[in-house]
Amino acid sequence: SQQGEEDPQALSIQEGENATMNCSYKTSINNLQWYRQNSGRGLVHLILIRSNEREKHSGRLRVTLDTSKKSSSLLITASRAADTASYFCATEGYGNNRLAFGKGNQVVVIP
Amino acid sequence: DSGVTQTPKHLITATGQRVTLRCSPRSGDLSVYWYQQSLDQGLQFLIQYYNGEERAKGNILERFSAQQFPDLHSELNLSSLELGDSALYFCASSAGDTYNEQFFGPGTRLTVL
Repeated sequence: SQQGEEDPQALSIQEGENATMNCSYKTSINNLQWYRQNSGRGLVHLILIRSNEREKHSGRLRVTLDTSKKSSSLLITASRAADTASYFCATEGYGNNRLAFGKGNQVVVIP
Repeated sequence: DSGVTQTPKHLITATGQRVTLRCSPRSGDLSVYWYQQSLDQGLQFLIQYYNGEERAKGNILERFSAQQFPDLHSELNLSSLELGDSALYFCASSAGDTYNEQFFGPGTRLTVL
């Protein structure tokens, strides 16, 4: 079964810097989604990118998808202390109606 | 606020007991998903319902069951609880059956003592 795997696992940056996280998966996907989770709370949907898309933007977020390499990246520009959270990628395959989550990236933004 | 509500927020119970977790999806959403998050297993898909019918099954134990009611709210029943069932249980909803954003509730933290 496919499963997103983020890399690196933990990232500590200064406020104002950019943060980049990567995610790889194993099988064909219909879409890939990124979520944020603050300290054991609920997951917040950030962005969905479909398999026929290569790049997507939402505010300070930029997501890329390379289906040939089965990988995605999430870039947070001009980070803020409020961006401190765990970030998960999740993949949805064709017709299997479920999200397969990676282990998550913990990002700490130091004010 | 995602619009998905879950009750209760916290649940503490003993091994062997049975509990019911409740979820109300966003207004208009027909799909409900249940996920379990634990330190060792990460986030795992359990089961999906679409408009009252079971649509997909994941790593759900036989001791666990779920249903979606005509008003589209869903319940996850966990029985014969074991210590290892302690986890965060999330409900998510989406508008359609597949290939949509899923919006997650705040979760129910289950502690089995």
